[in-house]
Amino acid sequence: GAVVSQHPSWVICKSGTSVKIECRSLDFQATTMFWYRQFPKQSLMLMATSNEGSKATYEQGVEKDKFLINHASLTLSTLTVTSAHPEDSSFYICSARDREANQPQHFGDGTRLSIL
Amino acid sequence: AQSVTQPDIHITVSEGASLELRCNYSYGATPYLFWYVQSPGQGLQLLLKYFSGDTLVQGIKGFEAEFKRSQSSFNLRKPSVHWSDAAEYFCAVVSPASGGSYIPTFGRGTSLIVHP
Repeated sequence: GAVVSQHPSWVICKSGTSVKIECRSLDFQATTMFWYRQFPKQSLMLMATSNEGSKATYEQGVEKDKFLINHASLTLSTLTVTSAHPEDSSFYICSARDREANQPQHFGDGTRLSIL
Repeated sequence: AQSVTQPDIHITVSEGASLELRCNYSYGATPYLFWYVQSPGQGLQLLLKYFSGDTLVQGIKGFEAEFKRSQSSFNLRKPSVHWSDAAEYFCAVVSPASGGSYIPTFGRGTSLIVHP
């Protein structure tokens, strides 16, 4: 089946540093990747949608300069949290999908980000 | 506005009992429907999906779901729950009439608790 690898699974860093999270589709080409943020006991909050080779589309209220998304190839998207602060601590999940609407998303295992 | 509703925040069942998790949507056209399961600290795993055709779909781990157009529902069922089924369950919807963006919408999730 389709596998999405997300790395790292857990990162702890000091306030003010930047953190990069990678999302790779291992056995299929992902024309679309999604980045979500999930707070404890809550649903997924879509942050942005990225299509390979084009700029990401950010949801309302998500700072594009804070959360930099790159989708340079059909198998890799990255999310960089710039100048991270404690309020950015959260669980970040990526998913990948082919362009067709009836194709399911395949999720990474998430990244637990803790900013001290 | 388009929406996905999972009316039950928590469901508690005894091991071996049957299970039904509810999902309702409000979209103009029949959307594409998905159920995902999330274990603590993990990403989401696809259980099953519905696009068209037979309204009763079978998924992994013994789950099934039935699409009922008249009720705008896509409820998830399992005849006999195992302790390992305890997790968070998310219903997701993609509208094929979304102008090509095909952005999924998730319900808020239902937490399944299984008693021995």
